[in-house]
Amino acid sequence: EVQLVESGGGLVQPGGSLRLSCAVSGLTVSSSYMNWVRQPPGKGLEWVSVIYSGDTTFYSDSVKGRFTCSRDISKNTVYLQMNSLRADDTALYYCARRNSYGSGSYGIDVWGPGTTVTVSS
Amino acid sequence: AIQMTQSPPSLSASVGDRVTITCRASQGIRNDLNWYQQKPGKAPKLLIYSTSTLQSGVPSRFSGSGSGTDFTLTIAGLQPEDFATYYCLQDHIYPLTFGGGTKVDIK
Repeated sequence: EVQLVESGGGLVQPGGSLRLSCAVSGLTVSSSYMNWVRQPPGKGLEWVSVIYSGDTTFYSDSVKGRFTCSRDISKNTVYLQMNSLRADDTALYYCARRNSYGSGSYGIDVWGPGTTVTVSS
Repeated sequence: AIQMTQSPPSLSASVGDRVTITCRASQGIRNDLNWYQQKPGKAPKLLIYSTSTLQSGVPSRFSGSGSGTDFTLTIAGLQPEDFATYYCLQDHIYPLTFGGGTKVDIK
């Protein structure tokens, strides 16, 4: 069974930093497209970032330059380093696998339960 | 980034109704469009990928259509468990982008 479990969320002051972790079981992060998606309280979903083969990464415009996605293959874990945090980064952060093949995709099909980040003074 | 405009933002419907939700992309995305269902306090659930392919285990009353820039999710015969919020997602090019969501509630 594939499982994604996020951790590392919490309360942080504006301008601060936080690192989220996503522990993965049932699939290997080295061969997967691992994404972060967030959802502010009471609002819609926002795609944040992806990391895949060769440590290739992409980010949404709203987090580019502030957030960094990485992975530890030995721990089968993906990370999201969040710096210069702002109030509008407050959200539930999901780790999710995009089931990709070549140039195609079967969709983002596996999601963790999420971890909550609150940015407030 | 590609903008995804989803409509309506909300709708009220009755059990048994046929429901249609649309998503429009700001540029062509071929058929690289997914649909998700989200219930309160839960992670999103993939319903349909590649515009019209049903994810395993999803009831056949859900269907998707479209191509290019205009896409549709149809629920034929709404069931009590279908009251939820629905999102489209373009996975044609990074950054991936979601529609704003459609909340389906009970009339």
